[in-house]
Amino acid sequence: NAGVTQTPKFQVLKTGQSMTLQCAQDMNHEYMSWYRQDPGMGLRLIHYSVGAGITDQGEVPNGYNVSRSTTEDFPLRLLSAAPSQTSVYFCASSRRRGRYEQYFGPGTRLTVT
Amino acid sequence: RKEVEQDPGPFNVPEGATVAFNCTYSNSASQSFFWYRQDCRKEPKLLMSVYSSGNEDGRFTAQLNRASQYISLLIRDSKLSDSATYLCVVNQENQGGKLIFGQGTELSVKP
Repeated sequence: NAGVTQTPKFQVLKTGQSMTLQCAQDMNHEYMSWYRQDPGMGLRLIHYSVGAGITDQGEVPNGYNVSRSTTEDFPLRLLSAAPSQTSVYFCASSRRRGRYEQYFGPGTRLTVT
Repeated sequence: RKEVEQDPGPFNVPEGATVAFNCTYSNSASQSFFWYRQDCRKEPKLLMSVYSSGNEDGRFTAQLNRASQYISLLIRDSKLSDSATYLCVVNQENQGGKLIFGQGTELSVKP
């Protein structure tokens, strides 16, 4: 039981490049989400999904796309990277949205130059 | 005003000390409350939920004051291994279960 896995762990992009951050969970959780963490800001929700085929925007969705074709996978796509997207990205899953324990992946450290 | 605000850190305490963290939230409709722990450069992990009557888990005590919209975490007999950042998290079930994270309070326990 691997929990929540994320790849890659580190990534450096040039401005304008696109890439996909991968996230997978093996706990059969309905709810999955992506956060970014910046110094002094706390975790901010980018996008979330309450089940396969259903996604919605969080607090800071601009510049990111998601899809949820299976229960297990929830990739995050950066369409055209900008320096403002330099951050640590965490994927999380839980049984359902709300008061359930969130299980986080190990994070992806992204630098955009 | 931020929806969830925590004491600015860092807190530097000696081993064995008692330390308290405070957190305030702005939305009175918030319904569930949690403390998460985040070690340096790692992912957050649930430390404990916070119940209306207050709850304890070993050396950790969490309290909730709904009237003042205030949550606290008390750590007794601090250990070196308690050094981490502590995140206050508030769930707003009337907004579809939206989770709001505080910015975190850093704790450093010294020998």
